[in-house]
Amino acid sequence: GAVVSQHPSWVICKSGTSVKIECRSLDFQATTMFWYRQFPKQSLMLMATSNEGSKATYEQGVEKDKFLINHASLTLSTLTVTSAHPEDSSFYICSARTGAGSNQPQHFGDGTRLSIL
Amino acid sequence: DAKTTQPNSMESNEEEPVHLPCNHSTISGTDYIHWYRQLPSQGPEYVIHGLTSNVNNRMASLAIAEDRKSSTLILHRATLRDAAVYYCILRMVGNEKLTFGTGTRLTIIP
Repeated sequence: GAVVSQHPSWVICKSGTSVKIECRSLDFQATTMFWYRQFPKQSLMLMATSNEGSKATYEQGVEKDKFLINHASLTLSTLTVTSAHPEDSSFYICSARTGAGSNQPQHFGDGTRLSIL
Repeated sequence: DAKTTQPNSMESNEEEPVHLPCNHSTISGTDYIHWYRQLPSQGPEYVIHGLTSNVNNRMASLAIAEDRKSSTLILHRATLRDAAVYYCILRMVGNEKLTFGTGTRLTIIP
């Protein structure tokens, strides 16, 4: 089946550091990818929709200058958490669809656990 | 998106069938019913989806009520690896997004 790969799996870094997370669709092309954030014991919250070759669409309350998204190819989207602070510590998850239409499933990466000290 | 309601948690014995309910009384005619599950420390995994008719795949079955206001995910023979949070999500035609609720935490008892 379709595979989405995220890298790195976990990151620990100091406050003020910028962290880049990669999301790759390994066996299919994805014009649209999605970025979610999940705090402990909570559900997934959609942060933004990443569109290949154009600007990402951010959900209300998500700072676009804080969470930079680049989707430069049909198989790669990146999320950069700029000047990360402890409150940005979370589980970040990306997903991608294999085809168009709301009846198409999304395939998720295994997530990146970000810890800011 | 229309809202779904699921029990917070359920328990089931290993090797027995599990029926996970989902209420979606405000569903519209073009909403697809999707189910995903999330194992601990992993991203969600697609399970099954349907529109009106019952659906079967290698993972599970989806039973959709005739009025579409509720659905049930059926795991035919639960294993310990099925312990996860199960999310029932409505997805409107033309809407690419998935909006996750709180889901049902399924515990499998050996």
